[in-house]
Amino acid sequence: NAGVTQTPKFRILKIGQSMTLQCAQDMNHNYMYWYRQDPGMGLKLIYYSVGAGITDKGEVPNGYNVSRSTTEDFPLRLELAAPSQTSVYFCASSQGGGETQYFGPGTRLLVL
Amino acid sequence: AQSVTQPDIHITVSEGASLELRCNYSYGATPYLFWYVQSPGQGLQLLLKYFSGDTLVQGIKGFEAEFKRSQSSFNLRKPSVHWSDAAEYFCAVGANLIGGYNKLIFGAGTRLAVHP
Repeated sequence: NAGVTQTPKFRILKIGQSMTLQCAQDMNHNYMYWYRQDPGMGLKLIYYSVGAGITDKGEVPNGYNVSRSTTEDFPLRLELAAPSQTSVYFCASSQGGGETQYFGPGTRLLVL
Repeated sequence: AQSVTQPDIHITVSEGASLELRCNYSYGATPYLFWYVQSPGQGLQLLLKYFSGDTLVQGIKGFEAEFKRSQSSFNLRKPSVHWSDAAEYFCAVGANLIGGYNKLIFGAGTRLAVHP
């Protein structure tokens, strides 16, 4: 099992550009999550999904969009990149709402 | 509102010494509690979790944590630290979202350095 995979590992964007961060899991988990990690700030929830076709906002959703067309994939879209979106992004999944979350290796994004 | 506080931003210990990382939480109901470890450039790995039952929880890599409801704490301990334990450690509390869906609220983390 690969677990949770994320691509790319690192990306530099110019202000105003768009990109999609990819996340996939092969554990047949229903729940998937996107977090961002800023230095000294822990992890903040951006969006989450409780199953294919169902998504909802987390704590810091502004500037992001998600979709969940399959159980396996949960891409995160940045439409107009801003310097404030410079961060490390983690995708996670869990079987149920109260279950352990499994994390991907992260995507480091730099917006200049 | 739910919150997690890790009072120590950075801790340095000598290899072989004991370790205790502090975690305090604020949550209105019985919490789900987690400790995760993050090695440099890596994602988060679960060390241990508490859902219910025995308040002393054993985890991987020789770590344990004790849930103390009266102190709203879930401190992580290890009797003898190894150089490979140098990493960042995150405490998290599971909070119910609308509809009963769980989310994790993370502390800011404690960075552990180990001297040889």
